[in-house]
Amino acid sequence: DIVMTQTPLSLSVTPGQPASISCRSSQSLLHSDGKTYLYWYLQKPGQSPQLLIYEVSNRFSGVPDRFSGSGSGTDFTLKISRVEAEDVGIYYCMQSVQLRTFGQGTKVEIK
Amino acid sequence: QVQLVQSGAEVKKPGASVKVSCKASGYTFTNYFVHWVRQAPGHGLEWMGIINPSGGGTDYAQKFRGRITLTRDTSTSTVYMEVGSVRSEDTAIYYCTRDYLPGGSPGGFDPWGQGTLVTVSS
Repeated sequence: DIVMTQTPLSLSVTPGQPASISCRSSQSLLHSDGKTYLYWYLQKPGQSPQLLIYEVSNRFSGVPDRFSGSGSGTDFTLKISRVEAEDVGIYYCMQSVQLRTFGQGTKVEIK
Repeated sequence: QVQLVQSGAEVKKPGASVKVSCKASGYTFTNYFVHWVRQAPGHGLEWMGIINPSGGGTDYAQKFRGRITLTRDTSTSTVYMEVGSVRSEDTAIYYCTRDYLPGGSPGGFDPWGQGTLVTVSS
């Protein structure tokens, strides 16, 4: 099974400041079709998760451009350029190259 | 609009089984694979399994093989998840969700159901 490891597990950010979350996989997420199957989700308090980023760096429909994703192979990063109050919640990375596995989650709070 | 609506909360005694439903609407049911994900209290998301609504084929995370069964009813556009012999550690919110792309290619999930709380308590 592919193991997904996120760091840090929690983050306290001043509004307007940037934030960064790392996700590392135990195996390469590069598929034989040339795509890299790494996704980011946000679960806001009391809500179901929502898709933010697909295939490493593509923002899903309606996702603000302050969110960006990068990385390749086994190392990936989610960045928020200027954190807003509505960005609080738990962020998860997920791989889909071999069934599906989520990272442990990173809790983002506002200072 | 595309929607997944799950059945209501359940309370079960240890050793019982529980069956949660997920009714799809707003799209062609047989074109998109459906997944189940659970979240124990204070814990993260855990992928459980996948079903192809067209042919009924399934696959499960190693941890859940032999304990959960995914089925579907194409006449009602509904997917079911059954957990057998529940124990206290199965207390969790169970979510159904759909591949955002059709045809079963590796991909992410959108949308998600509202979640169903299953509580296992004697």
